[in-house]
Parts: sequence; C-alpha cells; structure tokens
Amino acid sequence: QVQLQESGPGLVRPSETLSLTCTVSGDSITSHYWSWIRQPPGKGLEWIAYIYYTGSTNYNPSLKSRATISADTSKNQFSLELNSVTAADTAVYYCAREMTTVTARETVINYGMDVWGQGTTVTVSS
Amino acid sequence: QLVLAQSPSASASLGASVKLTCTLSSGHTSYAIAWLQQQPEKGPRYLMNLNSDGSHNRGDGIPDRFSGSSSGAERYLTISSLQSEDESDYYCQTWGTGIRVFGGGTKLTVL
Repeated sequence: QVQLQESGPGLVRPSETLSLTCTVSGDSITSHYWSWIRQPPGKGLEWIAYIYYTGSTNYNPSLKSRATISADTSKNQFSLELNSVTAADTAVYYCAREMTTVTARETVINYGMDVWGQGTTVTVSS
Repeated sequence: QLVLAQSPSASASLGASVKLTCTLSSGHTSYAIAWLQQQPEKGPRYLMNLNSDGSHNRGDGIPDRFSGSSSGAERYLTISSLQSEDESDYYCQTWGTGIRVFGGGTKLTVL
C-alpha cells in the first residue's frame, strides 16, 4: 500500500521560507510524477509543482519565482520550499503521486493524482 | 490555456443518481482527466481516471456506484444510489506538458 506523509513546521513567519517534506512508503520516487498541492481555507485545490522521476521539475507559473521542489532518492522523499511567504500562503499543503505507465513505444500514460498524503496545515503569521 | 470548468454546486436526493460535469477548455477537448472526492475535513481521494472515449479506471476500493463518461469537451461523473457519505466536494484534475490543473470543484449536497 502506497502512503505519503507530509511533515514540516505548522507556523511560518511572514517573509520567511516554508519548508515541507513528503515521505513516501510502498513505492519508489524513482518512478511516476510527484506533486505538491495546496488548499487555502474554504477554497479549492491549487497545484504548486511536480518533480518527475527523471529529475525534471515544473511549477505553477503564479508561484514559479518563489517555489523549489527537490527529491532525495536515498530517503525516498521529496520536498518543497516556498520563500517570501505572506498570509496568502496559509493553507493545507498536500503531496501526491501521479501514477504513470510507459508503453512499449515509450509513450507515457498518466492516470492522475491517485495517492495523496493527509495534508499538513501551514499558517503564515507573526 | 488549459482550464477545467465545474459548476459550484449540485444536489440530489438520497438513493437517487447525480451527474457532475467537468468541461475542458477549447483546444484541449481530447484530454483525459481524473475525478477526486474530498469529504468534509478530509484530504482528496482519487475516484478514477477518465479518457475522452469514456473509458475509465476506478481507484482501489471505489465502488461501481461511481462511473465516468465523456462527450466532446465534457467529462462526467455519475454517482448512483446516493448515500449520505457522498456529500462532498468533487474536483476534476488534468495534465498537460509542464502543467497540472484543477477544476474549481462542485459541492454536492445529498438531500
């Protein structure tokens, strides 16, 4: 059974850097896509960034200048840093796996974000 | 621009069926999507992926009361034999090169 668990500080001061880690069990981060998503209070889901098993990364254009996603394959973890935070960054932060398979013709088939962590609440406040 | 549109709310009676809609933006009407359920105070749960031809694969443990279908730019989630625990927010999600997108979500009320 694949499980994801977010960890990190629940309170971050304005202008500082938010740092979160997602620990994966039951699967290896050396396959599939791995994403960070957030949900502000009372609002919908917002994709932040993903890292692919090849190491390639992509970001939501609205957050690209402040976000960094990285992976540590030795620990089977991936992480998010978001700098210069403000109260608008207060949200529940989720990590998720996006399952993919590769066909014989090396076409990548994506099945969507199929496994999610339970989420961690981050509040930005002085 | 890749965008998913969802109605903000829907309602249906206990035991009835309901069909939720997710609409892909112009130029992206062949894209596959995923449907997610978020029960109150919980994290999202994967329901299924749904292709443009209507083929779909439910996630582990998802009952066959949940089914998907497609028509053009529309992607549908049908929930039959509605139960009280189906009262949730439902999101569609899709993917393109270098981008991931969520719909705004539909809040389903079971009457």
